[in-house]
This record gives sequence, structure tokens and C-alpha cells, in this order.
Amino acid sequence: SQQGEEDPQALSIQEGENATMNCSYKTSINNLQWYRQNSGRGLVHLILIRSNEREKHSGRLRVTLDTSKKSSSLLITASRAADTASYFCAPRRGAQKLVFGQGTRLTINP
Amino acid sequence: EPEVTQTPSHQVTQMGQEVILRCVPISNHLYFYWYRQILGQKVEFLVSFYNNEISEKSEIFDDQFSVERPDGSNFTLKIRSTKLEDSAMYFCASLDREHADTQYFGPGTRLTVL
Repeated sequence: SQQGEEDPQALSIQEGENATMNCSYKTSINNLQWYRQNSGRGLVHLILIRSNEREKHSGRLRVTLDTSKKSSSLLITASRAADTASYFCAPRRGAQKLVFGQGTRLTINP
Repeated sequence: EPEVTQTPSHQVTQMGQEVILRCVPISNHLYFYWYRQILGQKVEFLVSFYNNEISEKSEIFDDQFSVERPDGSNFTLKIRSTKLEDSAMYFCASLDREHADTQYFGPGTRLTVL
């Protein structure tokens, strides 16, 4: 199974602060993806990082990948109320199914 | 930007009835998936579909479930005889393996079985 385990399970911060979420996995991968889900809605793809990359940026998002430790982190800078959601990592090989963990529930307080 | 669409957004049905959930994947995508999420639980994989056949299915995807790509655009999930425990959000996703490894998800169909 290529399930990622997100940590922490829940995170509550003030608007404007940075939020860091972590992901650990067990198998070798081609890439790792992060998704966001707003309260029972569809999953939105945020960013993909390939196994030969160590860091990637997209807007306020910064993702790191350490394949030796089988871990990844997602940093959201200057958080906004609209960032309140659950965040999931998905370590993957090829076109295989995504296996989701419980995710990190992020709450941004005004 | 192209997106995956799903209809209906909410389906209410009586136990034992058949339902068909519809998805229109992104047009040049080749891989298709169904996932479901029971309220308060994880998103779970149901089935993947490629080249007009099922490529993988989970334990959840028993004989009550079937998938079909009846034409060049639609991808459907049929539940033959719904049970109360089938109540969940059902998400369709599609993937264009040639250019990226990203699965794009639709907004989901909320199925309520009474």
C-alpha cells in the first residue's frame, strides 16, 4: 500500500501565520502529491513533487521531499481563512490508485 | 481550465433501488477512477478503468457495483441494489498519464440511501 500518513491530525493557527504539515510513507515512489479538501467537497490537487526533486514552490505553497527518510512536508505561508481545509498527501507510482490517510485538518482563525 | 464534472450533485434513493452516478472526465484523459467517502471517514478507492476495462478494484467494489464508459465522454458508476451503507460522497477522477501523473477530481455526488 502507498498510503501516506499525515501529521499532525489537526492544526489550528492564526491568520497570517505559516502552517506546516508532514507526510510519511513506506514504499518507493515516483512522485508525491498534495491535495486539499474543503469540508466534504471534492479534492483539489495542490502540487506534485517528483522523486528526483527536493523542493518545489507554487505560490504560497512550499513542498519538500526527502526520499531517504520517506517523508514530505507542505508549508503554507501567510495563511488565510480560505486555507481552512483538510490536506492529504498521496505518494504514488505511475497511474496507480491514490490511497488517502486521515489527513491534516487545518483551521485558520481570524 | 478543463475539469471533471459529475451529475447529479445529490441523489436520494430508497434502499434496494438502482442508481447511476455520472462523470464526464477531462477529454484527453485515459485513466478513470471512482472513490467514495463516507461521512467523517477517509476517501477510499473503489475502481480504476483504462482501455475500456477495469484495471483494479477494491474489496468494496463487489458485484453490486459496475462501471461503464458508454460513449467517448461519460464514465458511469452503477450500484444495482443500494444499501444504507452505500450512503457517501462518490468522487470521479481522471488522469492523463502522458503529460502528468495528476488525478483530477470531480466535485462529487452525495448519495443518500433511505
